[in-house]
Amino acid sequence: DGGITQSPKYLFRKEGQNVTLSCEQNLNHDAMYWYRQDPGQGLRLIYYSQIVNDFQKGDIAEGYSVSREKKESFPLTVTSAQKNPTAFYLCASNSGVWQPQHFGDGTRLSIL
Amino acid sequence: ILNVEQSPQSLHVQEGDSTNFTCSFPSSNFYALHWYRWETAKSPEALFVMTLNGDEKKKGRISATLNTKEGYSYLYIKGSQPEDSATYLCASNSGNTPLVFGKGTRLSVIA
Repeated sequence: DGGITQSPKYLFRKEGQNVTLSCEQNLNHDAMYWYRQDPGQGLRLIYYSQIVNDFQKGDIAEGYSVSREKKESFPLTVTSAQKNPTAFYLCASNSGVWQPQHFGDGTRLSIL
Repeated sequence: ILNVEQSPQSLHVQEGDSTNFTCSFPSSNFYALHWYRWETAKSPEALFVMTLNGDEKKKGRISATLNTKEGYSYLYIKGSQPEDSATYLCASNSGNTPLVFGKGTRLSVIA
């Protein structure tokens, strides 16, 4: 079955540590997205990529970094510069701006 | 940043009731309006993508309308069932920019 796989489901970060969230899709989609959800908030865009080897900052990119070396993969690194990383992170993809986004199951990140 | 508003924030209805909720978005440079259903412990699932003023879409008991001139979309659920309980998200974009999501409407259908 085609879809988006996020791992791990739960992740704990120590102070000063960088952690990487994985997102893999086998839908052959060009565009991929990372969102963050906090309680009482909508999904906020962190980074997005419309094509391999290219990505753009979203509304809340500070303290995060991404790479898009392969079409299937769009990992998100939460750096130590992100002072409030505790949140639920969702990855999504689609085949074009007119198309619906397909979402992974999410990763919940907490601070130890 | 484009602002997408959804109302109400939450809603409780009895099984069998019909219900509707609203998504408001800026009408200038409108590009597309998306509706998603997000059930607890699952990933958001696309319901509709709408682009044309006056557009109406239907999927089973769920339908949506779009007014791009005044900047709103309605989502209707006819004869609500417990399995309709979920958070309903709308998202919009202008020009060729990424989607901006509203905070969602949380629907609880009581059997």
